[in-house]
Amino acid sequence: AIQLTQSPSSLSASVGDRVTITCRASQGISSALAWYQQKPGKAPKLLIYDASSLESGVPSRFSGSGSGTDFTLTISSLQPEDFATYYCQQFNSYPLLTFGGGTKVEIK
Amino acid sequence: EVQLVESGGGLVQPGGSLRLSCAASGFTFSSYDMHWVRQATGKGLEWVSAIGTAGDTYYPGSVKGRFTISRENAKNSLYLQMNSLRAGDTAVYYCARGGKTGGWFDPWGQGTLVTVSS
Repeated sequence: AIQLTQSPSSLSASVGDRVTITCRASQGISSALAWYQQKPGKAPKLLIYDASSLESGVPSRFSGSGSGTDFTLTISSLQPEDFATYYCQQFNSYPLLTFGGGTKVEIK
Repeated sequence: EVQLVESGGGLVQPGGSLRLSCAASGFTFSSYDMHWVRQATGKGLEWVSAIGTAGDTYYPGSVKGRFTISRENAKNSLYLQMNSLRAGDTAVYYCARGGKTGGWFDPWGQGTLVTVSS
């Protein structure tokens, strides 16, 4: 099974900071990667699909990049509503799907 | 508005069974793959099962042989029959729609809590 390793597992940042989260796949997955945001007590929300395509309605400060085994999610200017946990998910081996372990973004 | 609403969660003893339901609305249910994803308290996300538009089903090794996903297109409903439940199956279970052109999940339901305990 394809494994996804996210780093860091948590980070502290201030409003306005640029934040980068990394997701590494155990084998090449082309661009078959999605990113989600989850706030406490809520269901995950799709942010990015196909590694770099922004889901409709998601603010443009979110962006995704990468292909093969290394991917990043970037928040260009962190806003108060962005404090949450972020997950990557691969679908190269669809329908056998896996998630990264998550990255919690906390307020500094 | 696309909406998914889960139900059927609750407390069950180890070795017991439970059936989850997911009511879909706002889209052509029969045209999409559907999934169940779970999350133990304070833990990450784990894909649990998938069902294609043709009724083909898929599971990870952790639940294969114990869980059964099914769908009833006429009722816009998705189900998850869970048998031989273990403490490790305790989690919030989310119903999620598959992407139209790829294997992502969008949207998700609000989740239903399953607790396996004696």
